[in-house]
Amino acid sequence: KNQVEQSPQSLIILEGKNCTLQCNYTVSPFSNLRWYKQDTGRGPVSLTIMTFSENTKSNGRYTATLDADTKQSSLHITASQLSDSASYICVVRGGYGQNFVFGPGTRLSVLP
Amino acid sequence: DAGVTQSPTHLIKTRGQQVTLRCSPKSGHDTVSWYQQALGQGPQFIFQYYEEEERQRGNFPDRFSGHQFPNYSSELNVNALLLGDSALYLCASSLIGTGSYEQYFGPGTRLTVT
Repeated sequence: KNQVEQSPQSLIILEGKNCTLQCNYTVSPFSNLRWYKQDTGRGPVSLTIMTFSENTKSNGRYTATLDADTKQSSLHITASQLSDSASYICVVRGGYGQNFVFGPGTRLSVLP
Repeated sequence: DAGVTQSPTHLIKTRGQQVTLRCSPKSGHDTVSWYQQALGQGPQFIFQYYEEEERQRGNFPDRFSGHQFPNYSSELNVNALLLGDSALYLCASSLIGTGSYEQYFGPGTRLTVT
């Protein structure tokens, strides 16, 4: 069964600190993996998208890694800001026209 | 360039009623997907419309139906509402045939069933 798991479920850090969120998936065949940021009650906003051949991609203070062999991805946030408080969702798209499989998200709270 | 828009923003309905949610895709996009997101969970895929036809469907009952219009906008209809249908309903648009197959999400419609 195609699944996406994320850890931790929630995370609290102080402003200015770094953090890393994890994503493991069993989706096969694999097409691409995305990380989204979702503010409470809003639609998800794309941070990064990675294909099989890419193992790292950055978007400002966000850096995503992908290990397609172990089917793991991480999202590293550097120098966190209060506005980083949100849910971060890992989404994997399977190949051959499969649709997107969403993880449950990690709820990040950045405190002053 | 307008992104994905959804209406209404919030909606309160009673059990057994019917509801229609609307979505306008990002300019240039031709595919619309609908998702249900319960509180504290990730979005669950309902179905996808392309060329005015339902192309793929998730594990949702027939009470959930949709439509896509010639201008690519879409509607999600839910009949015989249950308390468990209370959720944030997200619409995402994309362009079939593009390599990245990026999806852009709307702000969602918050449906509360009492």
